[in-house]
This record gives sequence, structure tokens and C-alpha cells, in this order.
Amino acid sequence: DVKVTQSSRYLVKRTGEKVFLECVQDMDHENMFWYRQDPGLGLRLIYFSYDVKMKEKGDIPEGYSVSREKKERFSLILESASTNQTSMYLCASSLYGSSSSGNTIYFGEGSWLTVV
Amino acid sequence: AQSVAQPEDQVNVAEGNPLTVKCTYSVSGNPYLFWYVQYPNRGLQFLLKYITGDNLVKGSYGFEAEFNKSQTSFHLKKPSALVSDSALYFCAVSSPKLSFGAGTTVTVRA
Repeated sequence: DVKVTQSSRYLVKRTGEKVFLECVQDMDHENMFWYRQDPGLGLRLIYFSYDVKMKEKGDIPEGYSVSREKKERFSLILESASTNQTSMYLCASSLYGSSSSGNTIYFGEGSWLTVV
Repeated sequence: AQSVAQPEDQVNVAEGNPLTVKCTYSVSGNPYLFWYVQYPNRGLQFLLKYITGDNLVKGSYGFEAEFNKSQTSFHLKKPSALVSDSALYFCAVSSPKLSFGAGTTVTVRA
């Protein structure tokens, strides 16, 4: 089974803090993704990476950055957390190729971030 | 631009009754369609997908979905719902970027 592990399930951070969300996958997937989930809005793509050190902006990249130094690890960084970044963050991975190739995206358990 | 709509925010059914969760999409070109389920405080779990071929796709936990190109729909179905099917269900379409619907909360009452 594919396993995508998000190291922190629940975090509470202060406004202005730098926040790191870590994600590791164990299936040698080339693609990794960070989504944000908010009620009534579904999932929105923040960033994705199709290879080590490669990244592309998704639909809502403002206020976020990412790092992919190793194939299995993809980090989401909030440089200066704000209250409107309080949300559920989901990491995901898939095999090489865009989602238009029909590859299934597998998700982690999610990280609940509260910014106060 | 592509989009996916789940017209019902909530679906309530009695255990043992058929369950249908609706999804319609708008894309240019041939879509790839997915259904995911999310249990409380958990990530999304893959249920099934349509790539090509038979319009009726069977997936995990007894779920199936029917691809209807003329109606641009991909409704999720289960012949006999269980209380444990109560969850949040997401439809997603890829053509080429993956876009998710807003989700449908399913409640199955005993």
C-alpha cells in the first residue's frame, strides 16, 4: 500500500511565525503535491513537484513556498503565518506523469494548522 | 477552463437503501474522473476512477460509478448503504489539471 506520512497532525502557531509542514512518501513516486482544504471550497492546489528540486505553483501559492531536496520528502513552508492560513493541509503523491495520464493521487492523513 | 460540480452539499439515506452522490463536470477534451472519500479528521482515500473503456466503474467498499459523456456526469453509487459509509465524498476531474468538487457529506442513518 502507498503510504504518505505527514509528521504533524495538529499544530498551533502564532501570527508571523515560520511554519514547516513535512511530508514523506514511501512508494518512490515522482510527483508530490500540497493541497489546502477548507469547508465548501474543496481542495485547492498550493504547489506541486514532479522531481527533486523542481516545483510549480498551483492555484493558491501566495504566502507559501516548498522544498524538495529528496525524492521522498516534500515540505510546505509558511514564511510568516497569518490567521487566514488556518486550514487543513493535505500532502499527496503519484507516479510520474501528469494527472492527465490517469495516475491516482494518494493522500496523507492531513495536518490541521491553527494560526492565532 | 475545467470544473467539477457536486450539486448536493448533503445526502441522507437510511441504511440498506441505495446511495447516489452526484457529480457533473465541464472540460475540453477527454476527462479522467475520480472519486475519493474522507472520514472525519482523516485524509482522502481513493475509491475509483474512470480512464477509458466501460462506462461503469467498480471500486472499493462496494461503490461504483457511471460515466455518462452526453450528460457530463460521473455519479457515485452503492446499492445498499451502510452506516459506516457516512463520510465526505469528493469528485475530481483531470483534463489535464486535477480539480476537486466542493464535496458532499453523506449521512447514513441506522
